[in-house]
Amino acid sequence: DVKVTQSSRYLVKRTGEKVFLECVQDMDHENMFWYRQDPGLGLRLIYFSYDVKMKEKGDIPEGYSVSREKKERFSLILESASTNQTSMYLCASTPKWARGLYGYTFGSGTRLTVV
Amino acid sequence: QKEVEQDPGPLSVPEGAIVSLNCTYSNSAFQYFMWYRQYSRKGPELLMYTYSSGNKEDGRFTAQVDKSSKYISLFIRDSQPSDSATYLCAMVPQGGSEKLVFGKGTKLTVNP
Repeated sequence: DVKVTQSSRYLVKRTGEKVFLECVQDMDHENMFWYRQDPGLGLRLIYFSYDVKMKEKGDIPEGYSVSREKKERFSLILESASTNQTSMYLCASTPKWARGLYGYTFGSGTRLTVV
Repeated sequence: QKEVEQDPGPLSVPEGAIVSLNCTYSNSAFQYFMWYRQYSRKGPELLMYTYSSGNKEDGRFTAQVDKSSKYISLFIRDSQPSDSATYLCAMVPQGGSEKLVFGKGTKLTVNP
């Protein structure tokens, strides 16, 4: 079964800390995504990567950066965590050839709380 | 007007009820439609996938697309407590796109 694995299910970090969220997929997918999900706001795209070292800003990139050094791994970085970044973070992947037509495979999510 | 509108609910029904979940959209280019199910504190999982207009059935689930009205539905027959989850619609234009457009999700509770 194909998998997208997010390294942490729950994280609690302090304001100002640098936070790394890791996502690994075993499907050889080119496209990977980071979303945050908040009640009433739905899924909001933070960053998207379509290949190693390639990235594109999503709808809400402010306060975040990403790293894709290997095809299977896509990291989300909160440079200086703030309380308004408390959220559920979801990683997803899809093969480039599919052009999104078969949907994404999502990870289980990381619930981040910034105190 | 948002590209995809979905009533957030919450929707609460008794076990055995028929559930109707809906999304409307404004972009007539959308041709591929998906429904995701997301259990509490988990990631979304693809539940149903349809192309263009018509119905698609999978067990107790039926996905319906009405392109003339820009309206899609997911019906759940004989609903079970295990169907309690948030349901998100998603869509893609003809020719595809790297980025799916999602509805905000409807939270469903099926009461035993």
